[in-house]
Amino acid sequence: GENVEQHPSTLSVQEGDSAVIKCTYSDSASNYFPWYKQELGKRPQLIIDIRSNVGEKKDQRIAVTLNKTAKHFSLHITETQPEDSAVYFCAVKKTSYDKVIFGPGTSLSVIP
Amino acid sequence: DSGVTQTPKHLITATGQRVTLRCSPRSGDLSVYWYQQSLDQGLQFLIQYYNGEERAKGNILERFSAQQFPDLHSELNLSSLELGDSALYFCASSVVTSGRITGELFFGEGSRLTVL
Repeated sequence: GENVEQHPSTLSVQEGDSAVIKCTYSDSASNYFPWYKQELGKRPQLIIDIRSNVGEKKDQRIAVTLNKTAKHFSLHITETQPEDSAVYFCAVKKTSYDKVIFGPGTSLSVIP
Repeated sequence: DSGVTQTPKHLITATGQRVTLRCSPRSGDLSVYWYQQSLDQGLQFLIQYYNGEERAKGNILERFSAQQFPDLHSELNLSSLELGDSALYFCASSVVTSGRITGELFFGEGSRLTVL
């Protein structure tokens, strides 16, 4: 089945620095790549997503880049703030009707 | 509020027992997913339903079963419970639109199961 790896598992940065989280996947048929943020005790929520026909997408301080050839995609957070502290999950999906498989998560701590 | 409702929010039971978790998806969402999140663990995919039919299965134990009803709500049944089944069980729903890959999952608040 689909395998999604995510690195690093924990990440600590100083406020204002950038954070990068990378995911790799195994199924080349994957076409949709979302990122979810889960704050402590809360539900996961979508923060950004990218489709296979796009190489990069940006939304304010958050960006995602996709390399389909290498089968990896990354989340970039610039000018980190304490409220960015959370667990971030990458995920992959093939078609609208398919299951969404999540990576193991990255715990991000932003130190004030 | 995501629009996805899960009940109960908390459940404490004993080993060997059976419980049912319920999920009501967002209005209009045909696809329902169940995920298990153990302490400090990721989101393990259990099962997906689309418009009443089972669509995909993950690492769901034989002791677990689920279904989606005509009104689109879903139930996850966990039987012969073991200590290791203690976890947060999330339900999520999504819109499925043909011709365009959509995929945003809207998660409920989860049902926290504690098996003693």
